[in-house]
Amino acid sequence: DAGVIQSPRHEVTEMGQEVTLRCKPISGHDYLFWYRQTMMRGLELLIYFNNNVPIDDSGMPEDRFSAKMPNASFSTLKIQPSEPRDSAVYFCASRSSLVPDTQYFGPGTRLTVL
Amino acid sequence: RKEVEQDPGPFNVPEGATVAFNCTYSNSASQSFFWYRQDCRKEPKLLMSVYSSGNEDGRFTAQLNRASQYISLLIRDSKLSDSATYLCVVNGGGSNYKLTFGKGTLLTVNP
Repeated sequence: DAGVIQSPRHEVTEMGQEVTLRCKPISGHDYLFWYRQTMMRGLELLIYFNNNVPIDDSGMPEDRFSAKMPNASFSTLKIQPSEPRDSAVYFCASRSSLVPDTQYFGPGTRLTVL
Repeated sequence: RKEVEQDPGPFNVPEGATVAFNCTYSNSASQSFFWYRQDCRKEPKLLMSVYSSGNEDGRFTAQLNRASQYISLLIRDSKLSDSATYLCVVNGGGSNYKLTFGKGTLLTVNP
């Protein structure tokens, strides 16, 4: 089975540009999570969805960040406008409610904002 | 107090050594506990769950002390391939399956 798929794997952009990160969860998984990882703050949960509905977005840093999940197989995390402090690795993860203890992470998107 | 706090590390040990990682958590309602492993520039992967009675998986032993809100991971006979960052992970209580990650402890096993 394919794991969680993220694209792009690397993104370099200039401050002020819009950035869109994409995620395809594992088929059949009904939870999807977006995380951000930095050296300073470690791995932080930004938002998670259950059955395509956002459940908790309290980790979203500010209004510049938005996330959508239009269907069970696709989610986006958008940053508009991007800032240098947004530079981080963004991970998407999914899990099944049938096996709640195990989350599967995608390979991550390494974002650099110049 | 941080939600999940780990030894800052890094740990540098020779092959064959035994190494222990410690972790404390602040949410007494937490019900599930895990150790994840993250290789350099890779995604985190579940290493093992941690049960109240303690559990072992080969060279790895995890312990949980609910009273002290303390979790540990012991690696015996360490291998070069054990070099990675080890993340202590705790979920929220009740039906809250949000995972909170510690910042991780970097382990380097040297030949």
